[in-house]
Amino acid sequence: GENVEQHPSTLSVQEGDSAVIKCTYSDSASNYFPWYKQELGKRPQLIIDIRSNVGEKKDQRIAVTLNKTAKHFSLHITETQPEDSAVYFCAALQTGNQFYFGTGTSLTVIP
Amino acid sequence: DVKVTQSSRYLVKRTGEKVFLECVQDMDHENMFWYRQDPGLGLRLIYFSYDVKMKEKGDIPEGYSVSREKKERFSLILESASTNQTSMYLCASSPAGVETQYFGPGTRLLVL
Repeated sequence: GENVEQHPSTLSVQEGDSAVIKCTYSDSASNYFPWYKQELGKRPQLIIDIRSNVGEKKDQRIAVTLNKTAKHFSLHITETQPEDSAVYFCAALQTGNQFYFGTGTSLTVIP
Repeated sequence: DVKVTQSSRYLVKRTGEKVFLECVQDMDHENMFWYRQDPGLGLRLIYFSYDVKMKEKGDIPEGYSVSREKKERFSLILESASTNQTSMYLCASSPAGVETQYFGPGTRLLVL
């Protein structure tokens, strides 16, 4: 089956700096890649997603890039704020609607 | 706004007990999922269902079963709870043909 690896597992940045989280996947058939944000004690919520026919997508301070050839995709957060502190999960969708999730990145934004 | 609810936020059970975790969604979604979330392991799929009375095994179904008698409700059953089933359990739902999954608040289960 699919294997999704996520790095780093923890990340600390100063407020205002950028944060980058990377994921790799193994199955070239995967064609949908969402990113979820989970604040402490809360449910995961979708923050951005990208499909395999697109190389980059941006939504305000958040962007996701996809390299299909290398089978990796990344989350970029610019001008980080303390409220960006959370655990971020990437995922890859295989046919049959089963997601495979990365192991999560705990992001801390230091004021 | 999609609402996915889970019957309990916290649950403490004894080894060997039968445990029921309930998930209800109010948006008429066809697909429902049960995950467990463990530190360093991310979210792992236990079971999912595409329709009433249908179920499919995920990656870690051992020790679990599910029931979907009504479209809005998906139950996860631990037939005989064990300490290694101590975890956070997350339910999710999505409409047919739509990838976005909506998560419930989670149930933190402790098996003693």
